Amino acid sequence: DVKVTQSSRYLVKRTGEKVFLECVQDMDHENMFWYRQDPGLGLRLIYFSYDVKMKEKGDIPEGYSVSREKKERFSLILESASTNQTSMYLCASTNLNNEQFFGPGTRLTVL
Amino acid sequence: GQSLEQPSEVTAVEGAIVQINCTYQTSGFYGLSWYQQHDGGAPTFLSYNALDGLEETGRFSSFLSRSDSYGYLLLQELQMKDSASYFCAVRDHGGSQGNLIFGKGTKLSVKP
Repeated sequence: DVKVTQSSRYLVKRTGEKVFLECVQDMDHENMFWYRQDPGLGLRLIYFSYDVKMKEKGDIPEGYSVSREKKERFSLILESASTNQTSMYLCASTNLNNEQFFGPGTRLTVL
Repeated sequence: GQSLEQPSEVTAVEGAIVQINCTYQTSGFYGLSWYQQHDGGAPTFLSYNALDGLEETGRFSSFLSRSDSYGYLLLQELQMKDSASYFCAVRDHGGSQGNLIFGKGTKLSVKP
């Protein structure tokens, strides 16, 4: 079974802190994605990556950056956390059949 | 702009049939997917339609009409465990580099 893991299920940070969210997939997928999910807004794409070292902006990249140094790992970075970045963050990877496999999510609270 | 429209909430009773509609307006179209998400859980893949017609997987079926930019998810013999949010999503590019555009989700409540 495909497994996508995220480093934390719950995270509490303070405004201005630098935050790292890690995601690892074990199925050698090339494409990886970071979304945030907020009530009433659905899933919004922050960044995605087609390959190592490659990244593309999604719909809401402001305030975020990403890193893909290894194929299996895709990191989301909040350079200076703000309260409006309190959200559920979901990582996903895609197989050749265009199925997205999601991690369990990280619920981030910024105080 | 790109948008997917689906109802925000649907309620049905156990054993019934429910249809969740999705209309889309996107710059490209390479298939319509459906995902299920239970409260507190991650979305899980249900189905994918690249061509017009009906795809059936057990109690769930998904339909696509590309000429109408429309699809639906049909859930039959509803069970309490089907209570969840359902998202439609469009793949906007072909090849290996397309990403998904998600609708805002439909919250399905199944009553006894």
